[in-house]
Parts: sequence; structure tokens; C-alpha cells
Amino acid sequence: GAVVSQHPSWVICKSGTSVKIECRSLDFQATTMFWYRQFPKQSLMLMATSNEGSKATYEQGVEKDKFLINHASLTLSTLTVTSAHPEDSSFYICSARGQVNYGYTFGSGTRLTVV
Amino acid sequence: TQLLEQSPQFLSIQEGENLTVYCNSSSVFSSLQWYRQEPGEGPVLLVTVVTGGEVKKLKRLTFQFGDARKDSSLHITAAQPGDTGLYLCAGETPGGYNKLIFGAGTRLAVHP
Repeated sequence: GAVVSQHPSWVICKSGTSVKIECRSLDFQATTMFWYRQFPKQSLMLMATSNEGSKATYEQGVEKDKFLINHASLTLSTLTVTSAHPEDSSFYICSARGQVNYGYTFGSGTRLTVV
Repeated sequence: TQLLEQSPQFLSIQEGENLTVYCNSSSVFSSLQWYRQEPGEGPVLLVTVVTGGEVKKLKRLTFQFGDARKDSSLHITAAQPGDTGLYLCAGETPGGYNKLIFGAGTRLAVHP
């Protein structure tokens, strides 16, 4: 079955620094990748959609200059949280959808803690 | 903006009881998906329903898609402690740029 690998699974960083999260589709080509944020006891909120080779489309209220998304290849998308602040602490989850398999496969998530 | 209202948000029941979780919207979706998520992990797909009126069964779980493709339900028969977890419904938006919009989730606790 389709597998999406997300790395790192958890990261702690200092306020003001940047953090990069990787999302890889291991056995299929992901034409579209999605990034979600999930706060404790809440559901997944879509942050942005990225198509390979194109600029990401951000949901309303999500700062594109703060959450940089790159989808340079069909198997890799990255989310960079720039100038992180404690309020950015959250669980970030990526999802990938392929050209052949139109299902959505989710990564295992990244727990970001900004101190 | 398409929204999915999921209810109830919390459910605490005894082993052996039945339960139903609802997912409603005023918008039409291409498909409706149900996921289960464990703490600290990504959601895992349980089922996808595509056709209005469709019913799918997965052991003790029954999933239904409304005729108008705006709502869905998840029914669990004879719940077991192993069913404890967060259940999420997600609607796939129609059109060329499909994306998944999640409901608020239902946190289920089944007590022995």
C-alpha cells in the first residue's frame, strides 16, 4: 500500500529559529501534498495544498511567509516554520495524493514544540 | 467555505453498547472518508464512501453516505474497549482542486 514518511517525528526548537519538516511518498508519486496542523484535543486544520512544481495554495488565515512549503519533486514536500514562536507549537501532519492512486495517505505527524 | 459538523464530540459508553457518530454539511462532497487517529500519530483511513446512499460495513462498523452526499454516519455495534480513539470524518471537496476538510472529531471511550 501507499506509504508516506514524515520526518522528524518530534522537534524542539528555540523561539525565533526555523524548523523544516519533510514529507516523502515512499512507493508512489505524489502529485499533490497537503499540510495540516492539529492543536491538542482538536481536529486537523488544512494549512495549504501544494502541487509538484507549483506554488502552494494556502488556506485563509495561514501566513504563507511564515509557513514555507516546497514541493520540488513528486516524492518530497517540505514545510518550513520560519521564526517559530511558542504559539506555533502543534502537531503537523502531511498527506499525499498520487496520480494513479487518488486516495489520501497521511504521514505519522511531527510534534513541534517551540520554547 | 465548506464545513463539516461532526457530533457528538465526546462519547463515553460501556462495552457492548451501540453508538452512532454523525457528520453533516450543507455542501456536497465528492466523497466522505472516515478515519481513526491514535495519539501522536497520523489518521488512518477506515473507509471511503462515494455514491449517495452508499452503505459500507467493516466488521462491527457501518458507514453510510447520505443520498444528497452532504452527510454521513458511522455506527458501531457492540463497542469494545479496543474501539476507543478519535474518529474523524473528512469530506473531499468537488471540482478540479480536491482537498479534504475534516470534521471536529469524536473522541470515543469504551469502558470494560
